[in-house]
Amino acid sequence: GAVVSQHPSWVICKSGTSVKIECRSLDFQATTMFWYRQFPKQSLMLMATSNEGSKATYEQGVEKDKFLINHASLTLSTLTVTSAHPEDSSFYICSADSQETQYFGPGTRLLVL
Amino acid sequence: QKEVEQNSGPLSVPEGAIASLNCTYSDRGSQSFFWYRQYSGKSPELIMFIYSNGDKEDGRFTAQLNKASQYVSLLIRDSQPSDSATYLCAVRAGTASKLTFGTGTRLQVTL
Repeated sequence: GAVVSQHPSWVICKSGTSVKIECRSLDFQATTMFWYRQFPKQSLMLMATSNEGSKATYEQGVEKDKFLINHASLTLSTLTVTSAHPEDSSFYICSADSQETQYFGPGTRLLVL
Repeated sequence: QKEVEQNSGPLSVPEGAIASLNCTYSDRGSQSFFWYRQYSGKSPELIMFIYSNGDKEDGRFTAQLNKASQYVSLLIRDSQPSDSATYLCAVRAGTASKLTFGTGTRLQVTL
């Protein structure tokens, strides 16, 4: 299957700082990427759809000014969690659309102290 | 509201048996159907996708789709302890559209 990477795999930061997470499709081009969040023992929650060259589409209840998404190329989307707070601590996972299906990255675990 | 429903489990099967995981969906416009496996603490991993009615086999896995009944299933033959995980069913309406996930079925394969 296709490979999607995420960086960093885990990050610890202080409350109030911003954190950027990168999602890359390594062996295919992805016009569309998706960002999810998953709290312990809960289901995946779609946060936003990232489209190359255009603004992201956010799901209801997700603050677009807090979770900044940039999809500047066909292989890279970034999610920036601005002014992070402890309640933003979670497992952030991206996926990339390959026309046939979506492949997930390994996820980024964020801990905000 | 578009929904995908799965039994949360746990579904417990002995090693070597066939595990049968089921999923129903409400949106008749759904065009493609996916099964992902998620181990605890890890991200989902694609097992199979299916577009057409009938069966699709890949190794020990068989996906079955019945659009008339709005039902998709995953069979795992010769279940192994390493198959113990949460299995997520997902559907989508078209290419590059977002996936709608079920809440997942937890499978336990016992020795």
